[in-house]
Amino acid sequence: GESVGLHLPTLSVQEGDNSIINCAYSNSASDYFIWYKQESGKGPQFIIDIRSNMDKRQGQRVTVLLNKTVKHLSLQIAATQPGDSAVYFCAEMGGTSYGKLTFGQGTILTVHP
Amino acid sequence: DTEVTQTPKHLVMGMTNKKSLKCEQHMGHRAMYWYKQKAKKPPELMFVYSYEKLSINESVPSRFSPECPNSSLLNLHLHALQPEDSALYLCASSQEWGGSTEAFFGQGTRLTVV
Repeated sequence: GESVGLHLPTLSVQEGDNSIINCAYSNSASDYFIWYKQESGKGPQFIIDIRSNMDKRQGQRVTVLLNKTVKHLSLQIAATQPGDSAVYFCAEMGGTSYGKLTFGQGTILTVHP
Repeated sequence: DTEVTQTPKHLVMGMTNKKSLKCEQHMGHRAMYWYKQKAKKPPELMFVYSYEKLSINESVPSRFSPECPNSSLLNLHLHALQPEDSALYLCASSQEWGGSTEAFFGQGTRLTVV
């Protein structure tokens, strides 16, 4: 399940399930969004991006959905694998935050074999 | 080559020491960034360089001094740090500053101030 509190939100899924990670962004003027995956001891790794003139973009096993009305971004991972276990961050850029890539809180995804 | 290389990977320094973190990229990117990341927190922007000029300083204390000697290199000079400065320091680069292009991150330098 998913929990939000003083700690990072967590999502636990079984291998083969689909995962949905959510992100609420703060700046209504942001026009570019990125999802990053960060494994323990490593730097953030680009997964997929989307511009504000789109509401959906698909990659390999991943889909990003953007709802500008409610300032919400989601990352869907199909057929989740143990190697997908990591912390996932959404990041936004644009508007009054020109040139500043600002990260969201992050979600810990744990995939059980 | 889509790699951003950071050295050293780990650094332990005393509060009176002077040290430097190094970052290198050979992707022809003209924007380079320093981020600080505390445990279980998202990366926080510190500095942005665009075409080797400092474009953003997010009110970072002067004990952190960035330098961009050329378009491929970015340094972060450290002096008189405090224990609370212990963190993962991440370097990133992107094709242009402000453009809607992805930023590539290095593996980071794990800094411990004792």
